[in-house]
Amino acid sequence: AQTVTQSQPEMSVQEAETVTLSCTYDTSESNYYLFWYKQPPSRQMILVIRQEAYKQQNATENRFSVNFQKAAKSFSLKISDSQLGDTAMYFCAFMKHGGNAGNNRKLIWGLGTSLAVNP
Amino acid sequence: NAGVTQTPKFQVLKTGQSMTLQCAQDMNHEYMSWYRQDPGMGLRLIHYSVGAGITDQGEVPNGYNVSRSTTEDFPLRLLSAAPSQTSVYFCASSYAFGGSYEQYFGPGTRLTVT
Repeated sequence: AQTVTQSQPEMSVQEAETVTLSCTYDTSESNYYLFWYKQPPSRQMILVIRQEAYKQQNATENRFSVNFQKAAKSFSLKISDSQLGDTAMYFCAFMKHGGNAGNNRKLIWGLGTSLAVNP
Repeated sequence: NAGVTQTPKFQVLKTGQSMTLQCAQDMNHEYMSWYRQDPGMGLRLIHYSVGAGITDQGEVPNGYNVSRSTTEDFPLRLLSAAPSQTSVYFCASSYAFGGSYEQYFGPGTRLTVT
């Protein structure tokens, strides 16, 4: 079974600085997807960035980038130029790739990292 | 484009009462699912569906029923509410086969059972 571990329950960063959130996972699958979701106080779950395991290039979305180390099963999120609006819970999630099984869209979640951006 | 909608946003129930959490999506997604989010437990899958008339259990299905009579709607029924079902419930949808694998989430329902 797949598991996702986020070892940092809480983190804080000063506005405009850079912060990295850690995520490791365990799987025997060779093809899968990894995601970072943001959950602000509004409770809405927002997709921040995604990575396909077969792609060696690390995904980037504006100020958000990942460091994907497939052999080490590590998927960290870097937030550059942190903004007050980045204050939220951040969840790392895993999903198996494709297939026709009914549960092929099941997400396996980490427990989250609470990030506070301080002015 | 409404995306995924959930009603109600908040609900308080007494132990033993029943209710239905509503979920609807307008993106013609085959896959729909229900998660519950509890402090220290992350999100856990309750039930999912890959199309009208097809549902299956997730990790924590006990105490919940689902049905999928249309592509758009996927209601979650609590048959006899228990305090252990106090949680935040999220509905999500995506394409099931091919297309984008991104899942879209509703705004959540906070349920308290007293």
